Amino acid sequence: GEDVEQSLFLSVREGDSSVINCTYTDSSSTYLYWYKQEPGAGLQLLTYIFSNMDMKQDQRLTVLLNKKDKHLSLRIADTQTGDSAIYFCAEYNDYKLSFGAGTTVTVRA
Amino acid sequence: DAGVIQSPRHEVTEMGQEVTLRCKPISGHNSLFWYRQTMMRGLELLIYFNNNVPIDDSGMPEDRFSAKMPNASFSTLKIQPSEPRDSAVYFCASSTTGSPLHFGNGTRLTVT
Repeated sequence: GEDVEQSLFLSVREGDSSVINCTYTDSSSTYLYWYKQEPGAGLQLLTYIFSNMDMKQDQRLTVLLNKKDKHLSLRIADTQTGDSAIYFCAEYNDYKLSFGAGTTVTVRA
Repeated sequence: DAGVIQSPRHEVTEMGQEVTLRCKPISGHNSLFWYRQTMMRGLELLIYFNNNVPIDDSGMPEDRFSAKMPNASFSTLKIQPSEPRDSAVYFCASSTTGSPLHFGNGTRLTVT
């Protein structure tokens, strides 16, 4: 079955790096995604990684995938106040996207 | 590219009334999804259409919920009769098969 878990809260100082962790259970997932949700808005696709990759970097974002442990992480370098949001990890298998509960990231000055 | 367009943005209605939520997917996308987001249950997939055909409606809560996709550019989610526990944010998303989902800004439904 599908079960995606992530920690609920993260507080980080402006300028530091944020690391958001996620675990999933479905080993046949083909893609893993990170979405960002700001208050009152929809989910914005941040980045995604194919299941046969172990790392992907996109500007300030770095995604690490440990397929053996079914662990995914998102690192945001030089965290800024605009990065305050809820971040969702999601696994994609067949047509279905299963989401974690979301990690609320708060950036403090 | 206007993105996925949902209407209305907010809907407030009384218990027992019919509610219709609307979605226009991104042009060229052949997959459409309706999700519901609540504090208690997070994001739940309600129904998935592929090429306008409902493929998986196992997430539809009960018979009060129905969804249609009469053509490639329009879908509706209807709740009749609505109940207070239906209060949530309803998201529509679209994609081409196998590609990332693109979400609309959602409809915040409040049933009093």
